[in-house]
Amino acid sequence: SAVISQKPSRDICQRGTSLTIQCQVDSQVTMMFWYRQQPGQSLTLIATANQGSEATYESGFVIDKFPISRPNLTFSTLTVSNMSPEDSSIYLCSVWGQGLADTQYFGPGTRLTVL
Amino acid sequence: GQQVMQIPQYQHVQEGEDFTTYCNSSTTLSNIQWYKQRPGGHPVFLIQLVKSGEVKKQKRLTFQFGEAKKNSSLHITATQTTDVGTYFCSSGYSTLTFGKGTMLLVSP
Repeated sequence: SAVISQKPSRDICQRGTSLTIQCQVDSQVTMMFWYRQQPGQSLTLIATANQGSEATYESGFVIDKFPISRPNLTFSTLTVSNMSPEDSSIYLCSVWGQGLADTQYFGPGTRLTVL
Repeated sequence: GQQVMQIPQYQHVQEGEDFTTYCNSSTTLSNIQWYKQRPGGHPVFLIQLVKSGEVKKQKRLTFQFGEAKKNSSLHITATQTTDVGTYFCSSGYSTLTFGKGTMLLVSP
């Protein structure tokens, strides 16, 4: 398995501001992902964080709103830009790799509330 | 990822009763993963099934993958209050598609 940490664990932000969420894993992994989970809902994939290149975004998510970085094989950031109350959600990073038996593991999540 | 649907959405049982959640697809799935998410927690990986007809057990939990690889089930025998949470199925490898989950409540 992999040990994943996220910072911050939770935050309350004002409308119009931006928040950057960090994800750190304890070993090098092939792929890192960012998900959103709205209250009482399932997980929705935002994007795949690619090392050294632009992230790959799913339908409905764009780089201007959710810029993502992945400078190395153990770290990634997701920024939620120009926030509105609709962005209130839990944001989760996950990792996947052959060294993890083709299994995806999730970080503890960041609970974001936008006022 | 491949589309999966879960039923039921919600189930409330008395402690000691059994519980089953189902995951279905209209297409053949490459694999199935099951995750458990406790209230306020994050999804925790339980198991992955890959082979047609595969059955795996973890203590009181039994996981099955259908012969046609279009459905899967998670069965909990004699539920306990610690089983409370939402159980998600997903399919795919690096890119997963999640079902909507089944929320399990267990009354003591």
